[in-house]
Amino acid sequence: SQTIHQWPATLVQPVGSPLSLECTVEGTSNPNLYWYRQAAGRGLQLLFYSVGIGQISSEVPQNLSASRPQDRQFILSSKKLLLSDSGFYLCAWSRTSRATYEQYFGPGTRLTVT
Amino acid sequence: LAKTTQPISMDSYEGQEVNITCSHNNIATNDYITWYQQFPSQGPRFIIQGYKTKVTNEVASLFIPADRKSSTLSLPRVSLSDTAVYYCLVGPLSGGYNKLIFGAGTRLAVHP
Repeated sequence: SQTIHQWPATLVQPVGSPLSLECTVEGTSNPNLYWYRQAAGRGLQLLFYSVGIGQISSEVPQNLSASRPQDRQFILSSKKLLLSDSGFYLCAWSRTSRATYEQYFGPGTRLTVT
Repeated sequence: LAKTTQPISMDSYEGQEVNITCSHNNIATNDYITWYQQFPSQGPRFIIQGYKTKVTNEVASLFIPADRKSSTLSLPRVSLSDTAVYYCLVGPLSGGYNKLIFGAGTRLAVHP
């Protein structure tokens, strides 16, 4: 079976500090990978998606970046955090074998920028 | 992607059937309708997906009228554990990957 891991679960960082969130998927190969952010009381916002190693598409211009160094590893980074970067960050994966809106989400990372 | 409109919140009681309607007046011919469920501090979970008429699985049913301008997620005999936010998404299936755009969703509260 497939599982998706995210860490850390919670993070408190000062403004201007760097960020690195990691997501890994097990039990599948060549998944599509996604990073979402959910601000308090709001819907999910797609940040980045990747259809393969080194292939990243950005949905929203911001001070965040993403990388996919390995097939099942997706990393979200920032060089300098802003207060507005606070939120609930979710990684998700989907199969590439068939087109579907069925995505599988990780447990999330709650980031608080102080 | 088609714009969707859902009620902001709904209340129900244990054992009742709950129907959440989503309006998508500008749905395109190749658009599918998908519903997700999200509990607090967790990622969304796929519930059901359909194109027309009725789709049923072990969790819910999805009713889509002939004009496809709306859809209704039906949860039979809800329990307290069904308290969550429910999202309706509409869009085409393309290329093996799909960008989900979530709105504010419907916050369902199930009371004892």
